[in-house]
Amino acid sequence: GQQLNQSPQSMFIQEGEDVSMNCTSSSIFNTWLWYKQDPGEGPVLLIALYKAGELTSNGRLTAQFGITRKDSFLNISASIPSDVGIYFCAVNRDDKIIFGKGTRLHILP
Amino acid sequence: EAEVAQSPRYKITEKSQAVAFWCDPISGHATLYWYRQILGQGPELLVQFQDESVVDDSQLPKDRFSAERLKGVDSTLKIQPAELGDSAMYLCASKGREGIQETQYFGPGTRLLVL
Repeated sequence: GQQLNQSPQSMFIQEGEDVSMNCTSSSIFNTWLWYKQDPGEGPVLLIALYKAGELTSNGRLTAQFGITRKDSFLNISASIPSDVGIYFCAVNRDDKIIFGKGTRLHILP
Repeated sequence: EAEVAQSPRYKITEKSQAVAFWCDPISGHATLYWYRQILGQGPELLVQFQDESVVDDSQLPKDRFSAERLKGVDSTLKIQPAELGDSAMYLCASKGREGIQETQYFGPGTRLLVL
């Protein structure tokens, strides 16, 4: 079953606002991943984190690999309409990806 | 840009019928995965191939699901007979190297509805 606790489950924000979501686990992982899934499409990798404490940016997205190796967060700055979708945290265990349940982002006009 | 191809994109079937999904990974990717994603959940691994060999099918319901990758390139996932609870998105992914790390790339998925 799922080992990752992702929150919040959904978010409703105004365009231009910053967004923060996080993911925790009771187990230690050496790789944390953040994916975005648009409706009717497969997940697309946004950011991959490979070292505890690592802070990585991809445009308006920033993600950090927690020092304990049991958590990660994703921030989106100055949200725009195309940021709408489901964001999944994921970890790599034994060459397999385990996904969280996702955070569904809604942007209000 | 190379992509993972899947077909069909959508499939509606009646319970007890057989269905098959096809996946063509990115050229040169030896590792291929099939995932199932139930609405409101994250994808969950069904089966992993390395070339033509099954590496992990521990989560594949083998009484009704089968997967093959005969020539180590494209792959087929079959369900026979389909049940109502099989309604989900079926995602294929292949693994390749981007920079110094290996990354899984996902296809667009096949959305299955069992009536």
